[in-house]
Amino acid sequence: EVQLVESGGGLVEPGGSLRLSCAASGFTFSRYPMSWVRQGPGKGLEWVSVISGRGGNTYYADSVKGRFTISRDNSKNSLFLEMNSLRAEDTAVYYCAKDLLMNADYVDGVLDYWGQGTLVTVSS
Amino acid sequence: DIQMTQSPSSLSASVGDRVTITCRASQDISNSLAWYQQRPGEAPRLLLYAASRLESGVPSRFSGSGSGTDYTLTITILQPEDFATYYCQQYYSTPPLFTFGPGTKVDIK
Repeated sequence: EVQLVESGGGLVEPGGSLRLSCAASGFTFSRYPMSWVRQGPGKGLEWVSVISGRGGNTYYADSVKGRFTISRDNSKNSLFLEMNSLRAEDTAVYYCAKDLLMNADYVDGVLDYWGQGTLVTVSS
Repeated sequence: DIQMTQSPSSLSASVGDRVTITCRASQDISNSLAWYQQRPGEAPRLLLYAASRLESGVPSRFSGSGSGTDYTLTITILQPEDFATYYCQQYYSTPPLFTFGPGTKVDIK
């Protein structure tokens, strides 16, 4: 059974930093691209970032480019999101999600499994 | 960047109704479109991809169609568990920028 469990969320002041983690199990983690998607309070879904299976290719939404860094440790079946220079508008539940298709070096974007999310609140 | 719109933004329906939700992309996305369902307090769930391919385990009352810029999600014989918010998502962009639509909330009439 595929499981994705996010952690690392919390309250942080504007301008601060936070590192999110996602622990994966139930599938061959290194073969699948992984994404982060967020959802602000009462708002819709916003794709944040994606990383290829081997980690060589990463892509970001314009709203987080230059502030957020996605990475993965395939030896530990873990996905990460390093978030710097946080703003109030980054307040959201952050989900990690698995790509439907296996791909070591490219990404597809169809997200077939999602974690339950971790809440990040940026406020003074 | 490719922009996605959905209509309506919300609708009220009854159990047993047929429901249709429309998604429009700002440019041709060549069927690179997925639909997700999100119930309150839950993570999104993949329903369809490639515009019309049903994800494993999803009931056949869900179907998708469309091409080019215009796509449709149809739910035949609405069930109580189908009251939720539905999002379309394009995954056509190069480099990848996976845009979601704003969502359509389906609630009980």
